[in-house]
Amino acid sequence: TQLLEQSPQFLSIQEGENLTVYCNSSSVFSSLQWYRQEPGEGPVLLVTVVTGGEVKKLKRLTFQFGDARKDSSLHITAAQPGDTGLYLCAVLNNAGNMLTFGGGTRLMVKP
Amino acid sequence: ETGVTQSPTHLIKTRGQQVTLRCSSQSGHNTVSWYQQALGQGPQFIFQYYREEENGRGNFPPRFSGLQFPNYSSELNVNALELDDSALYLCASGGRRGRDEQFFGPGTRLTVL
Repeated sequence: TQLLEQSPQFLSIQEGENLTVYCNSSSVFSSLQWYRQEPGEGPVLLVTVVTGGEVKKLKRLTFQFGDARKDSSLHITAAQPGDTGLYLCAVLNNAGNMLTFGGGTRLMVKP
Repeated sequence: ETGVTQSPTHLIKTRGQQVTLRCSSQSGHNTVSWYQQALGQGPQFIFQYYREEENGRGNFPPRFSGLQFPNYSSELNVNALELDDSALYLCASGGRRGRDEQFFGPGTRLTVL
């Protein structure tokens, strides 16, 4: 069983649609990170959520940390082809030296 | 400020061979971490180096080893390659033992035949 379960694994939508992807766990975390990875590139940090119930916005992307700090969601409004990529959630261990990633959600936005 | 670079971009090896992958950290960063990303999966932590010493290791066998140099560049060595070692290998650099944001390189795609 993975520490972080992401759903859905794959998502293919048309430009302009809205979508939500999820990152779930049975563990409680002090913080959670979201990354986007494009083909041929390494993951790039989008946001870190720290407080239970916290909502952060990055242009058309809205990130929420669950009240119990066990799960998180990423909502994209009016998706664009440039949003295509692998979305990964990750948590840092207490020692601060290891990121544990979920399996990712692969998003394709068609023009 | 230069980003994280990795070399080579991709390479092909046969089972049983040894491979060395290289990473040049971002200027000013003193930690470097290595991750293995199998096809269709999220990255898995291999190990981290801080000031040339190993500072944490994931669930990988001893045939995965590393070095960090005084100029904060790093190597990942894998001995006795197995087919399952085929993956994208990512390095990430950061500061303060990794609690700061980690910046990932583009990765090296290793194929083991």
